[in-house]
Amino acid sequence: DIQMTQSPASLSASLEEIVTITCQASQDIGNWLAWYQQKPGKSPQLLIYGATSLADGVPSRFSGSRSGTQYSLKISRLQVEDIGIYYCLQAYSAPYTFGAGTKLELK
Amino acid sequence: EVQLVESGGGLVQPGRSLKLSCAASGFTFSNYGMHWIRQAPTKGLEWVASISPSGGSTYYRDSVKGRFTISRDNAKSTLYLQMDSLRSEDTATYYCATGVAHWFAYWGQGTLVTVSS
Repeated sequence: DIQMTQSPASLSASLEEIVTITCQASQDIGNWLAWYQQKPGKSPQLLIYGATSLADGVPSRFSGSRSGTQYSLKISRLQVEDIGIYYCLQAYSAPYTFGAGTKLELK
Repeated sequence: EVQLVESGGGLVQPGRSLKLSCAASGFTFSNYGMHWIRQAPTKGLEWVASISPSGGSTYYRDSVKGRFTISRDNAKSTLYLQMDSLRSEDTATYYCATGVAHWFAYWGQGTLVTVSS
């Protein structure tokens, strides 16, 4: 199975700050990487797919990048509504695996 | 607008069975793969099973193989998950999801399954 190592596990940041979350895949998954945001009591929402493509309706302050088997989600200017838990997903091969999550809080 | 509505969750004893349903609307159901993903209380997301648009191909995580069966009724635009021999570790909120390729772009609100005596 492909392992997705996500870091950090938790993150405290100030409004307007730049935030970066990373996922390391245990093998080559190409661009088969997605990012999700989950708010308390809600279903996950797709933010980024194909490693770098922004999902419909997602603010442009969110962006994704790839360097080899390391993937990053960047929030350019943190807003209050961005608070939640973020997960990466490898969709390259079953079993599809998620990272353990990053809990993003306001400082 | 894509809508996915899960139902069928509840409290069940270990070793018993439960069948979840996911009613889909707002898109051509028969054109899309469908998926079940679960989340144990206070834990992360875990993919459970997937089914191809025609229903001809199915995929499962190892821990549910032989116990869970994913199926679909394209005439009714409904996805199912038959869960047999349930264990305490199957306790979770179960989401159905869909989207292009294996991007889980659309999710239901989830249905809670609690396995306990």
